[in-house]
Amino acid sequence: EAQVTQNPRYLITVTGKKLTVTCSQNMNHEYMSWYRQDPGLGLRQIYYSMNVEVTDKGDVPEGYKVSRKEKRNFPLILESPSPNQTSLYFCASSLSAWGRETQYFGPGTRLLVL
Amino acid sequence: GQQLNQSPQSMFIQEGEDVSMNCTSSSIFNTWLWYKQDPGEGPVLLIALYKAGELTSNGRLTAQFGITRKDSFLNISASIPSDVGIYFCAGQLLGGTASKLTFGTGTRLQVTL
Repeated sequence: EAQVTQNPRYLITVTGKKLTVTCSQNMNHEYMSWYRQDPGLGLRQIYYSMNVEVTDKGDVPEGYKVSRKEKRNFPLILESPSPNQTSLYFCASSLSAWGRETQYFGPGTRLLVL
Repeated sequence: GQQLNQSPQSMFIQEGEDVSMNCTSSSIFNTWLWYKQDPGEGPVLLIALYKAGELTSNGRLTAQFGITRKDSFLNISASIPSDVGIYFCAGQLLGGTASKLTFGTGTRLQVTL
């Protein structure tokens, strides 16, 4: 089944404790992206990747890092989480960054930073 | 970053009623998309619009790409309980640099029997 998977789905952590949220897609998609969803703000893009080893900042990149060493995986790293990073995070992928390609979203990771 | 103004923020309607929501932007897009998010899930694409003035249907859903390219609306006819969820519009610019989705703030739809 074609899908985007994220792990973990739920995470409670404390301020300053490094964490990684994994994202994997099995559709051989080139383009992958991370969003955060906050009440009243919709989805905002954190980082995106057009292909392996190519990443760039989205609208709200502060406090986050990403890497794209393999095509299928695009982990989101919070080196020193803070309470304002409490949010619902979505990973998405599409065949390419160009043209009329549908973005497929993962099921989301709900993060609470105490 | 830019955000789209989406209205209404929430709607409580009775089963069978029609629903209308819209999205406006201060800048133009060359693609408008409408997504639905079910509770506990990620957004799923409902309708994509690629030309100004385009009117597209998907079952009971109808969406239009505004002539000015700065707005779009989504209509749901004869709502049913499974229409419950959050609906997001998204604008996309294609060509030049990598396509980027800018999302609206969402419309939360509740359907009562």
